[in-house]
Amino acid sequence: GENVEQHPSTLSVQEGDSAVIKCTYSDSASNYFPWYKQELGKGPQLIIDIRSNVGEKKDQRIAVTLNKTAKHFSLHITETQPEDSAVYFCAASGDSSYKLIFGSGTRLLVRP
Amino acid sequence: DGGITQSPKYLFRKEGQNVTLSCEQNLNHDAMYWYRQDPGQGLRLIYYSQIVNDFQKGDIAEGYSVSREKKESFPLTVTSAQKNPTAFYLCASSMSRTQHFGDGTRLSIL
Repeated sequence: GENVEQHPSTLSVQEGDSAVIKCTYSDSASNYFPWYKQELGKGPQLIIDIRSNVGEKKDQRIAVTLNKTAKHFSLHITETQPEDSAVYFCAASGDSSYKLIFGSGTRLLVRP
Repeated sequence: DGGITQSPKYLFRKEGQNVTLSCEQNLNHDAMYWYRQDPGQGLRLIYYSQIVNDFQKGDIAEGYSVSREKKESFPLTVTSAQKNPTAFYLCASSMSRTQHFGDGTRLSIL
């Protein structure tokens, strides 16, 4: 079945620096790739998503890139702020259903 | 406000006891989902429902049961057959590909 691997598991950056989180998926039929941010004690919140017909999408300080050939996608956060500290999850799904397969998460710490 | 409400926020289960977690949504979404989250792991799908009166097993359905009698509600029962129920349980709903999550129920064993 589909598998999504996410790296790194923890990431510590200085405020103002950039952070990059990478995910690799196994099912070449996957065509939808959302990213979620989860704060302590809360449910995940969608921050950005990308479909397989585009290679990059930006929303202010957040961007996602997709390489279909290599089957990997990445989250880029620029000008990081302490409030960006959270756990970030990538996920993937294909056309056959709305089921999402999640990566194992990245704990991001932004040091003031 | 539209959203997903999970209750209770914390729940304790005794040995041999069944417990039911509530999930209600007022987003008018057709599909609803239950996930289990363990420390250091991603979310794993327990059950999902794409329409009222229909649901399918996810990847870790053993020891759990669900019902979908109303569009707004998708309760999850953790049965005594689930030997390791301690986890954070998340409910989600969707109309299309985007899933929206509640704030979870943390279940612990007494």
